[in-house]
Amino acid sequence: DAKTTQPNSMESNEEEPVHLPCNHSTISGTDYIHWYRQLPSQGPEYVIHGLTSNVNNRMASLAIAEDRKSSTLILHRATLRDAAVYYCILVNYGQNFVFGPGTRLSVLP
Amino acid sequence: EAQVTQNPRYLITVTGKKLTVTCSQNMNHEYMSWYRQDPGLGLRQIYYSMNVEVTDKGDVPEGYKVSRKEKRNFPLILESPSPNQTSLYFCASKPDQGAATEAFFGQGTRLTVV
Repeated sequence: DAKTTQPNSMESNEEEPVHLPCNHSTISGTDYIHWYRQLPSQGPEYVIHGLTSNVNNRMASLAIAEDRKSSTLILHRATLRDAAVYYCILVNYGQNFVFGPGTRLSVLP
Repeated sequence: EAQVTQNPRYLITVTGKKLTVTCSQNMNHEYMSWYRQDPGLGLRQIYYSMNVEVTDKGDVPEGYKVSRKEKRNFPLILESPSPNQTSLYFCASKPDQGAATEAFFGQGTRLTVV
């Protein structure tokens, strides 16, 4: 299975942007980069995904490096409700999700 | 509202007493799966189903059974639960096997086997 590497934890101040990095140096040409987050006491929740181009949605932005070996999830203005574990996952057709430990984001008021 | 519903949310049972955790989705998704989440081990896949009557083992299938008789339901069966199956369980669904599709997760079932 393709692997990703994320920092164990990060901190941010409320209302400031947060950049969550993910390394995936062994990514294949057909792997999609997905981000999910898990709020306390809840199931994982989809955030965003992309293949090659940067992506934006109402929750976040995804910046993908030109060589696709890394990506960054951007939360434009962190709120206390964004405190969660964020998972970066590589997904290919017919393959199952493999969750790593993720990054635990703390948001300080 | 699109959702994946698991029941029960909390369950305490005794070793060896068969139990079933139900999972239902209302999005007509083909693909469904079960995960368990344990401290320090993260989320691990137990079983998955690519469509009705098609199921396959994930990474940690021992001690579990599943069935997929209809598209919306994917129950997880523990025939003889043991304490090492104490865990937090999540059911998930997505439209198909495609890589560009979003997965939806249930709220979780916290199981304690004593």
